[in-house]
Amino acid sequence: KAGVTQTPRYLIKTRGQQVTLSCSPISGHRSVSWYQQTPGQGLQFLFEYFSETQRNKGNFPGRFSGRQFSNSRSEMNVSTLELGDSALYLCASSSQGSGQGFEKLFFGSGTQLSVL
Amino acid sequence: DAKTTQPTSMDCAEGRAANLPCNHSTISGNEYVYWYRQIHSQGPQYIIHGLKNNETNEMASLIITEDRKSSTLILPHATLRDTAVYYCIVRGPYNQGGKLIFGQGTELSVKP
Repeated sequence: KAGVTQTPRYLIKTRGQQVTLSCSPISGHRSVSWYQQTPGQGLQFLFEYFSETQRNKGNFPGRFSGRQFSNSRSEMNVSTLELGDSALYLCASSSQGSGQGFEKLFFGSGTQLSVL
Repeated sequence: DAKTTQPTSMDCAEGRAANLPCNHSTISGNEYVYWYRQIHSQGPQYIIHGLKNNETNEMASLIITEDRKSSTLILPHATLRDTAVYYCIVRGPYNQGGKLIFGQGTELSVKP
């Protein structure tokens, strides 16, 4: 199976712009989570989608949003970019629904966003 | 906030066992212990998980204390490629909600 695919790998934007990042989960996985990673804050949970519904949300401002499509692919959008949004954005998918209660997350390589 | 406490960094000699401790004193009865690692510039990689019993797979062993308040990840024969940040996480069953929260992790350096 192909792994989790995130595009683009690198992105440079300027303050005030908006950006959309894409994540294609492993085939058959219905849950997609997004994380922001910075040197100072580490890995921070953004949100999680399951079957097109946002199930969990982290403590990020409303400028950060996401969605999931019927084929489980997910996008996240950041509007009115700030310098502090420069980070590695990671997407993870999992095959929830097995009934066993635990889940393994499979992460993509991330999108490195630089805001100038 | 993360529910786990880990040492910030550890060193290990190549070929020796690496024992990474994790404290999760407030763990609930239905919460799993997960371990992930992140090699520089890559996404985190799942290593192992457990609920009550000790677990072993091709990558590592997980030892959970009887009271479940702490655990140890064991890499039996560490190699240079095991140099990474290791995250210990606790989370309840996925269908009961809750977020997978990563703490600061332990930076393991495997030295020749």
